[in-house]
Amino acid sequence: QKEVEQNSGPLSVPEGAIASLNCTYSDRGSQSFFWYRQYSGKSPELIMSIYSNGDKEDGRFTAQLNKASQYVSLLIRDSQPSDSATYLCAANNNAGNMLTFGGGTRLMVKP
Amino acid sequence: KAGVTQTPRYLIKTRGQQVTLSCSPISGHRSVSWYQQTPGQGLQFLFEYFSETQRNKGNFPGRFSGRQFSNSRSEMNVSTLELGDSALYLCASRGPGTGELFFGEGSRLTVL
Repeated sequence: QKEVEQNSGPLSVPEGAIASLNCTYSDRGSQSFFWYRQYSGKSPELIMSIYSNGDKEDGRFTAQLNKASQYVSLLIRDSQPSDSATYLCAANNNAGNMLTFGGGTRLMVKP
Repeated sequence: KAGVTQTPRYLIKTRGQQVTLSCSPISGHRSVSWYQQTPGQGLQFLFEYFSETQRNKGNFPGRFSGRQFSNSRSEMNVSTLELGDSALYLCASRGPGTGELFFGEGSRLTVL
């Protein structure tokens, strides 16, 4: 069973701090990785994708990928209360036609 | 560009009934995936269609089925509903050459 694992949280950070969200995956064949944000009662929204080892930055978000360690992370700088949501990590299968999602990490940003 | 559209948004059924959910992908997207989301199991993959062909199927019983039409619109059907089928059913479309999935707002099914 190919798995993606995340700490369910909640991860609580003060406003303005850096939030660090982590994810591990079991399928060494996975090549593409994604972070989704899901507000309560809403559907997942894609915020970052990463395909190669290293860092990828987009505004306040930085995704990090380490394929050797099978580890993906998402850093949110200058966290805002509006960032409070569940963050889902996902990995693609070899054929590229299925995403496996982790259980999500609930982030709470306190004003 | 319009996003992924799912209908109906909310529905209530009783055990033993069947339900059909509809999904219109983003214009130009030919791949449509369906996921079930529950508090206990999270997001679980149901199936993926591309050009009217099912390319992948998750570990769900045969009561769950789907199809895709020539215009890329997709439907999923659940027959003989059980209480445990109560969930948010999410449809997502994928553009060419990318693994990124874009989700619709979902269809929330309650089985009584």
